[in-house]
Amino acid sequence: DGGITQSPKYLFRKEGQNVTLSCEQNLNHDAMYWYRQDPGQGLRLIYYSQIVNDFQKGDIAEGYSVSREKKESFPLTVTSAQKNPTAFYLCASSIEGGPQHFGDGTRLSIL
Amino acid sequence: QQQVKQSPQSLIVQKGGISIINCAYENTAFDYFPWYQQFPGKGPALLIAIRPDVSEKKEGRFTISFNKSAKQFSLHIMDSQPGDSATYFCAPSSTGGGNKLTFGTGTQLKVEL
Repeated sequence: DGGITQSPKYLFRKEGQNVTLSCEQNLNHDAMYWYRQDPGQGLRLIYYSQIVNDFQKGDIAEGYSVSREKKESFPLTVTSAQKNPTAFYLCASSIEGGPQHFGDGTRLSIL
Repeated sequence: QQQVKQSPQSLIVQKGGISIINCAYENTAFDYFPWYQQFPGKGPALLIAIRPDVSEKKEGRFTISFNKSAKQFSLHIMDSQPGDSATYFCAPSSTGGGNKLTFGTGTQLKVEL
């Protein structure tokens, strides 16, 4: 089945540690996105990529990094510089100008 | 700057009733107006969307009404069912702006028997 796979579903991070969240899509979409969701709030855009080897900062990029070496993959690294990383992270993809399709998220918690 | 205001924050509707959720925006460059549905522990899923060239779009029990001059659009769920209980988000975007969605804060809908 075509879709977006995020892994792991749950992730725990120690203080001062970088962690990487995986996002893979087999929809052949050019664009991919990372959002953060906090309780009682809408989704906020962290980074997006419209094409391989190119990506742009979203509204809350500080403390995060991404890469886009392959069309189907867009991993997100939450660095130790992100002081409040506990959140639900969602990855999405789309064709140009088309609707975004979301994965089922990764919930990150701090130990 | 809050570009998208969604209301109400929560809504309780009886089974068979009509659920109405509203979204007001400021950015006149928005040209795509979707509603997403999210269940707990899942990612949002596109429910219905409209472009500004029409004022209303209906898909089954779900209708979007769009008022360009007022910069508002709303979601109407007819004959609401317990399975519709979820969080709903409006998320307008500008296709000339990288197709970035600007999410509202969400509406928690509960449909009671």
